[in-house]
Amino acid sequence: KAGVTQTPRYLIKTRGQQVTLSCSPISGHRSVSWYQQTPGQGLQFLFEYFSETQRNKGNFPGRFSGRQFSNSRSEMNVSTLELGDSALYLCASSRKTENTGELFFGEGSRLTVL
Amino acid sequence: GENVEQHPSTLSVQEGDSAVIKCTYSDSASNYFPWYKQELGKRPQLIIDIRSNVGEKKDQRIAVTLNKTAKHFSLHITETQPEDSAVYFCASFSGGYNKLIFGAGTRLAVHP
Repeated sequence: KAGVTQTPRYLIKTRGQQVTLSCSPISGHRSVSWYQQTPGQGLQFLFEYFSETQRNKGNFPGRFSGRQFSNSRSEMNVSTLELGDSALYLCASSRKTENTGELFFGEGSRLTVL
Repeated sequence: GENVEQHPSTLSVQEGDSAVIKCTYSDSASNYFPWYKQELGKRPQLIIDIRSNVGEKKDQRIAVTLNKTAKHFSLHITETQPEDSAVYFCASFSGGYNKLIFGAGTRLAVHP
């Protein structure tokens, strides 16, 4: 069974640009969450989607957005990139819908903003 | 707000020794506490978890204990091996819908 797949794995952008990251969950998983990992702030929750609906959102500015498609694949977008957006963006899927499921993480997309 | 504190930030042990990592959470409604291991350049992987109706859980050399009254939980690794070297994160479920609050991480180094 394939794991959580994230693309691209690495990317470099400049300030002011925008970026779109993609996540394909484990087959059969319908919940997709996104996390930002930085050395300074650690792992922080961005948002969670289930059945194409955003059910929860973390404390990030509106420049961070996401969506989920009918096949459960998800994308996140960051507009007007800032230097501080440089991070590893992790996607996780869960086979359960509520607060009892373990999260399976992808390898992440490492974004560098210059 | 919701917070998980994790200690120590770094831990160095000799192969065969035990390692203990402690976490404290703030939200009394938290009911699920997973531990993740992240090797350099790799994804966080769930190694053990515990739910609030259980006080202790073991899986071979790894165990987790939970004290709901004190709102803290700990990871215990016995007979450590060099391949246990990694960053370990504790987390709690808080606020709904697969939102994990993570601790800052503990970098464990096991020396042969």
